[in-house]
Amino acid sequence: KQEVTQIPAALSVPEGENLVLNCSFTDSAIYNLQWFRQDPGKGLTSLLLIQSSQREQTSGRLNASLDKSSGRSTLYIAASQPGDSATYLCAVKAGQTSGSRLTFGEGTQLTVNP
Amino acid sequence: DGGITQSPKYLFRKEGQNVTLSCEQNLNHDAMYWYRQDPGQGLRLIYYSQIVNDFQKGDIAEGYSVSREKKESFPLTVTSAQKNPTAFYLCASSIGGRSSYEQYFGPGTRLTVT
Repeated sequence: KQEVTQIPAALSVPEGENLVLNCSFTDSAIYNLQWFRQDPGKGLTSLLLIQSSQREQTSGRLNASLDKSSGRSTLYIAASQPGDSATYLCAVKAGQTSGSRLTFGEGTQLTVNP
Repeated sequence: DGGITQSPKYLFRKEGQNVTLSCEQNLNHDAMYWYRQDPGQGLRLIYYSQIVNDFQKGDIAEGYSVSREKKESFPLTVTSAQKNPTAFYLCASSIGGRSSYEQYFGPGTRLTVT
């Protein structure tokens, strides 16, 4: 059974700092990995999607990497801002079809202090 | 604007009552999903549907029921058989079929049962 772990559970940093969020998964046979952002009491916003054949994806100040063989992904946030404060979730997809499970980690709660 | 709507945002029910949560999408997506989120936990899949008039149980389907009579609608009924129904419920959709596209999420419904 696939298990996804996110470390740390919570992180507090000063504004402007570069930071890394970690995601690990136990079964390397994944189809893709997705990073989401969730604001308190809100739904999930997709940030980046990395296919299993890719090593990284970038969007603005965000960069996500994937090392499938070691079961790891990182989300790098450059020059953090208070507006980045949210919970970040990673999820792995087991297969290609829409019926394939997304297995979620428990999230990292990020606070960026002004 | 295209997107996923869930209503209501907050829902209160007495124990023993069935309640139906609404999910509508105008993204023309084939696949739709229902997740449950509990405090400090990742999302868990309740039911999913890959096409109209078809749906499959997820990991925690007991005490829930769904229907998929229209492509754009995927309502979830929380029955009195669900032992711990108080949670945050999220609906999602994706293009579906044999695609690798990401899932898009609605804003969620917070259900409180007393």
